[in-house]
Amino acid sequence: DAGITQSPRHKVTETGTPVTLRCHQTENHRYMYWYRQDPGHGLRLIHYSYGVKDTDKGEVSDGYSVSRSKTEDFLLTLESATSSQTSVYFCAISDSGVLNTEAFFGQGTRLTVV
Amino acid sequence: AQTVTQSQPEMSVQEAETVTLSCTYDTSESDYYLFWYKQPPSRQMILVIRQEAYKQQNATENRFSVNFQKAAKSFSLKISDSQLGDAAMYFCAYRSTWGQKLVFGQGTRLTINP
Repeated sequence: DAGITQSPRHKVTETGTPVTLRCHQTENHRYMYWYRQDPGHGLRLIHYSYGVKDTDKGEVSDGYSVSRSKTEDFLLTLESATSSQTSVYFCAISDSGVLNTEAFFGQGTRLTVV
Repeated sequence: AQTVTQSQPEMSVQEAETVTLSCTYDTSESDYYLFWYKQPPSRQMILVIRQEAYKQQNATENRFSVNFQKAAKSFSLKISDSQLGDAAMYFCAYRSTWGQKLVFGQGTRLTINP
């Protein structure tokens, strides 16, 4: 299994509080992604990174920010959590090159905003 | 922007029979990758099969095969000899060659009836 760890695995937080989710990889893969999974919507891309300090927005980036100061860590921050951000969050990693197109996923973080 | 559409929210099939899951996508790119991922109740994301757009031959992996129609932008998954362990959510995904953005469809929940 690819070395990818999400923390925390579960979190309950109150509306208006900041929350940071961490994705850590040991594969030295270039690309890292944050998704949220909601019933009926599949996995929707929040932000992704194509290198250290290089990030771009996905389709549902409003209310989220990311940072990648090291190859191995990709942080997702909810500046002021809202109930609509209750979801399961997945981190994924992938490498570059024709032979390395597969994305590997973390186990997911279930976030509940009350 | 690339989009992926899975028009079948749920499908069911009798054990040992064949089922086909549909996926269409929209892109202006000529070179890209397509994937089918399986998500069992454990929430783990498992790669089922991949297809490179520059390859005309349809990919196969044991009981899993795809029907890739590039001009129609269609990428269906056929599961032969369905087994109880195939029950899961199935996601179709598109990955750009440039930028490596990875986009998913809404998912199809597959039920296997014994």
